[in-house]
Order: sequence, then structure tokens, then C-alpha cells
Amino acid sequence: AQSVTQLDSQVPVFEEAPVELRCNYSSSVSVYLFWYVQYPNQGLQLLLKYLSGSTLVESINGFEAEFNKSQTSFHLRKPSVHISDTAEYFCAVTYTGTASKLTFGTGTRLQVTL
Amino acid sequence: NAGVTQTPKFQVLKTGQSMTLQCAQDMNHEYMSWYRQDPGMGLRLIHYSVGAGITDQGEVPNGYNVSRSTTEDFPLRLLSAAPSQTSVYFCASSSPTEMNTEAFFGQGTRLTVV
Repeated sequence: AQSVTQLDSQVPVFEEAPVELRCNYSSSVSVYLFWYVQYPNQGLQLLLKYLSGSTLVESINGFEAEFNKSQTSFHLRKPSVHISDTAEYFCAVTYTGTASKLTFGTGTRLQVTL
Repeated sequence: NAGVTQTPKFQVLKTGQSMTLQCAQDMNHEYMSWYRQDPGMGLRLIHYSVGAGITDQGEVPNGYNVSRSTTEDFPLRLLSAAPSQTSVYFCASSSPTEMNTEAFFGQGTRLTVV
């Protein structure tokens, strides 16, 4: 069965510290990977995605994620977090080549404090 | 620029009542999906549609019906609400074009069944 694992349900971190949110997926021939962010009482917004090509993908607000096929991972990193990064982060995968059927991880709550 | 619009934002139902959650998108996307979000479980796919007149079941379809008569609208029906259907429901739309693979989400409907 297709699955996505986010082992950390909560990650507390101080402002300006680096952070890594882990994501592992069940292996498949081809896979598209996504990170979505959800701010309180809002819907999900796409943070970044891997479809093909360079295994390192970046977002406009300083996050990056690296697709590692051998380890079936797509960890999200940021070298220096800000208070405004406090949110829930979801890793998702599609095995169908489209975004109509996404399989989500259980989410990681990133709590940034001063 | 509305994107994906869900109504209502909040709803309280009594067990056994029926209701329809509305979802509309103005991006001319062929694909639309419904997810439910529960604490510690991430988002799970209920039903999805790849075009007008075409729908299929996702991971947790029981207790829900859908239809897709137009490209823009994808309502989700609860025929006889149960407390287990208390959740936050998200509608999403996407394009079938591979390079545009990304799901756009609505703001969600918070449903409580008492």
C-alpha cells in the first residue's frame, strides 16, 4: 500500500535555528512529492514540489527539500527559521502522475519560539 | 481571484441528518477531490473526479456521495451524518497537465456531528 511517514508529530525550535522535517514514502517506479503548509484555521498551501530533474527543490521563503530515491525520503529543511514559519507541514505523494489522488503523511507541527 | 471556494465554513449536524458541502473552483481544472482531516491522521482522500460525469472512490468513501455535473462544482453529500464524520473537510482542484501538477485547496469546512 502507498504510504507516507512523517515520524515527528511536533518539532519545537528556536528562532534563527536550523530545522529539518522528515518525510519517507513507500517506494514506487515513479513518484511526485510535495510539501504543503497549513497555517491555523486555513487551507493547505503548496510549499514546494518534486516532479523530475534536479533532486534539490527550493521554495521562495527559504525552505528546501531533497529527493533521495535510494532512501525513499523527501526531507524539508530551512537553515534559519522565523516565528512566522510556525505552522503544520504535510508531506504528500502521488503515484498517478497527477494531483487528483494525493497520499498525505500525518503532519509535523513546527513551533518556533524566541 | 477566488480559486477553490467551500461553503459553509462551519456546520453542526445532528446524527442522522443529511447535508451537502459545496465546492466550486474557477480555474477550469478538470480534477477535483475531497479530503477529510482528522487529528494525527493527516488528510485522507474521500472521493475524486477527473472530469464532469466521472467520479471514483478514495481511501475513506463510506457514508459520502459525490457527483460532478459541471467542471466548476463538486459537492459532497452526507446522507445520514454520524459522529465519526466530525472532521474538517477540504476540497481541492488540479490540472491534469504533468508539469502543472499541484493541488489547490479550499479553506475547509469544519463539521461537527452531535
